[in-house]
Amino acid sequence: QQQVKQSPQSLIVQKGGISIINCAYENTAFDYFPWYQQFPGKGPALLIAIRPDVSEKKEGRFTISFNKSAKQFSLHIMDSQPGDSATYFCAASMAPTNDYKLSFGAGTTVTVRA
Amino acid sequence: DVKVTQSSRYLVKRTGEKVFLECVQDMDHENMFWYRQDPGLGLRLIYFSYDVKMKEKGDIPEGYSVSREKKERFSLILESASTNQTSMYLCASTQRGTISGNTIYFGEGSWLTVV
Repeated sequence: QQQVKQSPQSLIVQKGGISIINCAYENTAFDYFPWYQQFPGKGPALLIAIRPDVSEKKEGRFTISFNKSAKQFSLHIMDSQPGDSATYFCAASMAPTNDYKLSFGAGTTVTVRA
Repeated sequence: DVKVTQSSRYLVKRTGEKVFLECVQDMDHENMFWYRQDPGLGLRLIYFSYDVKMKEKGDIPEGYSVSREKKERFSLILESASTNQTSMYLCASTQRGTISGNTIYFGEGSWLTVV
């Protein structure tokens, strides 16, 4: 049973457009929410992460929005570029007792068309 | 440059065979992990280790075992491979401490096909 539900499974966006990926969770003990980016043939790499004490975090063209009351968080990719084409995973972790366990979403494959 | 190396990228094994997947990290990390990645299911934790000779079960340990004899090396063992273990396996490592304070580094994955 997946503790973090991610949608959509895939999306196609035109170059310059906005990609939005949504995740939802039930466990209120989660307090760390990273996003990972995975290119074909490579392992996932940390893209950006947020703690629930803030509602938004921005790094370049990537923004996480966090809604604690709704238990939802999302990744926005602004001005999407062909090089952003990858699979994106949201994840969640509890601290401190489960420091090393990340629960991952199912992943979203993003295709940016030139 | 940090590195997690999975020596076998592509393997084809027969049902019932014993399979070893090896992982080495060069960052002197205490914690190492084995995940399994399947389409539509994301990454699921099989086992992790927070020290040499220490291991803990993850979410899907059935049919797997692990070995950590040296700090830099973490092996995943399929005692008797089955077709439902056909998957991509990802090794990862991170420093000791809170997960929110440390990046997890992943290897490039080992694609295992069991026929």
